[in-house]
Amino acid sequence: GNSVTQMEGPVTLSEEAFLTINCTYTATGYPSLFWYVQYPGEGLQLLLKATKADDKGSNKGFEATYRKETTSFHLEKGSVQVSDSAVYFCALQYSGGYQKVTFGTGTKLQVIP
Amino acid sequence: AAGVIQSPRHLIKEKRETATLKCYPIPRHDTVYWYQQGPGQDPQFLISFYEKMQSDKGSIPDRFSAQQFSDYHSELNMSSLELGDSALYFCASTAGTSGDIEQYFGPGTRLTVT
Repeated sequence: GNSVTQMEGPVTLSEEAFLTINCTYTATGYPSLFWYVQYPGEGLQLLLKATKADDKGSNKGFEATYRKETTSFHLEKGSVQVSDSAVYFCALQYSGGYQKVTFGTGTKLQVIP
Repeated sequence: AAGVIQSPRHLIKEKRETATLKCYPIPRHDTVYWYQQGPGQDPQFLISFYEKMQSDKGSIPDRFSAQQFSDYHSELNMSSLELGDSALYFCASTAGTSGDIEQYFGPGTRLTVT
């Protein structure tokens, strides 16, 4: 079946440090890939997405590239801020109507001043 | 812009009681999905509806049932509640025929079973 694997957390970084959160997936065909963010006590927000191989999704300084050859969608940000502290979920979803989202286990990021 | 609305936001129930969670999708969205997120866990898909018909089913216990109404809102009914049902329940919606697969998530209902 389909699955998403993320690096274990929590990840603790100093402000302005470089962030990488690894994500790999197992799927048949060509799903779309997503990163969702969940701030403390809040719901899920879509951070960025990529719908086909070699696409790069980007938003708020975060970016991730859909790598079909390595089945990966690693999240990166050049300079993190305290306000980026949250849980980040990598996810996949097929197109074709009414398709569920399959989430990874989430990676908690804590950014310290 | 209007978002997905869930009610109530918080709910406390005792074991063996029943609970009803409601979800109001974004206007003109006709597809609703329910997810359960246990403490420290990733969201798990429960069930989805398109045009009032069940479109997919995931790991939803037999004690749970759901439906979608003519105004496209959905309700998740949970009976014989167990401690393990304590979780954050998300609803998401899409416009099923629009070609845009992105699911828009509500803020969630936090259910605590004591």
